[in-house]
Amino acid sequence: KAGVTQTPRYLIKTRGQQVTLSCSPISGHRSVSWYQQTPGQGLQFLFEYFSETQRNKGNFPGRFSGRQFSNSRSEMNVSTLELGDSALYLCASSLMKGGEDTQYFGPGTRLTVL
Amino acid sequence: AQRVTQPEKLLSVFKGAPVELKCNYSYSGSPELFWYVQYSRQRLQLLLRHISRESIKGFTADLNKGETSFHLKKPFAQEEDSAMYYCDGNFNKFYFGSGTKLNVKP
Repeated sequence: KAGVTQTPRYLIKTRGQQVTLSCSPISGHRSVSWYQQTPGQGLQFLFEYFSETQRNKGNFPGRFSGRQFSNSRSEMNVSTLELGDSALYLCASSLMKGGEDTQYFGPGTRLTVL
Repeated sequence: AQRVTQPEKLLSVFKGAPVELKCNYSYSGSPELFWYVQYSRQRLQLLLRHISRESIKGFTADLNKGETSFHLKKPFAQEEDSAMYYCDGNFNKFYFGSGTKLNVKP
């Protein structure tokens, strides 16, 4: 099976702009979670989608939003970018069926805000 | 509040020495706990999960509900074990610890 893929891999934006990141989960996986990874804060949970519904949400401002499509692909949007949004954004998918909730991570999208 | 704590940011040991990476959690229910590893320039990947009680690459981790801990252990560290290790708890949503960088010196 192909692994979790994320596009784009690298992105450079300026303050005030918005950005959309994409994640394609492993085939058959219905849950997609997003994380922000920074050297200072480590891995922080953004949100989780399951069957097109946001099931859980972390402690991030409303500028961070996401959605999931019927094919389980997910997008994450950040509006009005701030310098502090520079980070590696990771997407993880899991089967979430029969107790199988191991997360499989994508390579991440490196976002730099100038 | 639910959380996962990894108290050590960096752990340095010599090759062949035992290693223990600490993980403590705060959750009143039955936790599902995982260890993930990230080698240099590679993606985050599952190392082991507590319900399978298996040993991967010589690593083991035992859930201690009394001490609310899930420490990762290996009796003899190898240089290729050098990586970032993250403890993760599924308490209806995923909580990651801040990670411990393991450096195994030759």
